[in-house]
Amino acid sequence: NAGVTQTPKFQVLKTGQSMTLQCAQDMNHEYMSWYRQDPGMGLRLIHYSVGAGITDQGEVPNGYNVSRSTTEDFPLRLLSAAPSQTSVYFCASSNHLGGQVYNEQFFGPGTRLTVL
Amino acid sequence: RKEVEQDPGPFNVPEGATVAFNCTYSNSASQSFFWYRQDCRKEPKLLMSVYSSGNEDGRFTAQLNRASQYISLLIRDSKLSDSATYLCVVNPFLTNDMRFGAGTRLTVKP
Repeated sequence: NAGVTQTPKFQVLKTGQSMTLQCAQDMNHEYMSWYRQDPGMGLRLIHYSVGAGITDQGEVPNGYNVSRSTTEDFPLRLLSAAPSQTSVYFCASSNHLGGQVYNEQFFGPGTRLTVL
Repeated sequence: RKEVEQDPGPFNVPEGATVAFNCTYSNSASQSFFWYRQDCRKEPKLLMSVYSSGNEDGRFTAQLNRASQYISLLIRDSKLSDSATYLCVVNPFLTNDMRFGAGTRLTVKP
């Protein structure tokens, strides 16, 4: 199993450009999520999905869109990049244990994004 | 107030030392608790889940105190390889997401 994969590993954008960060998992996990990590802030949840066709906002959703057309893929779209979106982005997936209890999250290697 | 707060660190300890980290959470009905480890410029990885009765994995012991709303991580006989940032993670009740603390950095020195 490849686990959780993310592409690209590094990206530099100009202000106003759009792009999609890719995330895929091969563990048949229902739950997938996107985080951003900034120095001193820890990981903050951007968007998450509890299954194909279902997405919801996390703590910091503004400026980002997601979709979940398949169980495996959960792309994150930056609509119009801004310098404030310079960050490290992690995708994660996990099993749903029932109710609202979740198991261990598995993270991808991250995408380092710089917006000039 | 942040939902999950951790000792800011950094903690600098000699090899063989015992070190403890604390983490407090604000949602009293939180259901799942974890400690993750993150090496520099790498993704977080699960260190251990935290159960109500407390649990131990080798040199690592995790405790949960629901009454005081905190979890702790104890590392005994520190190794150089324990140097990393330790993240406290909580799954708040009635949410479908995980909330991370900002992390505590540990450096173990020879």
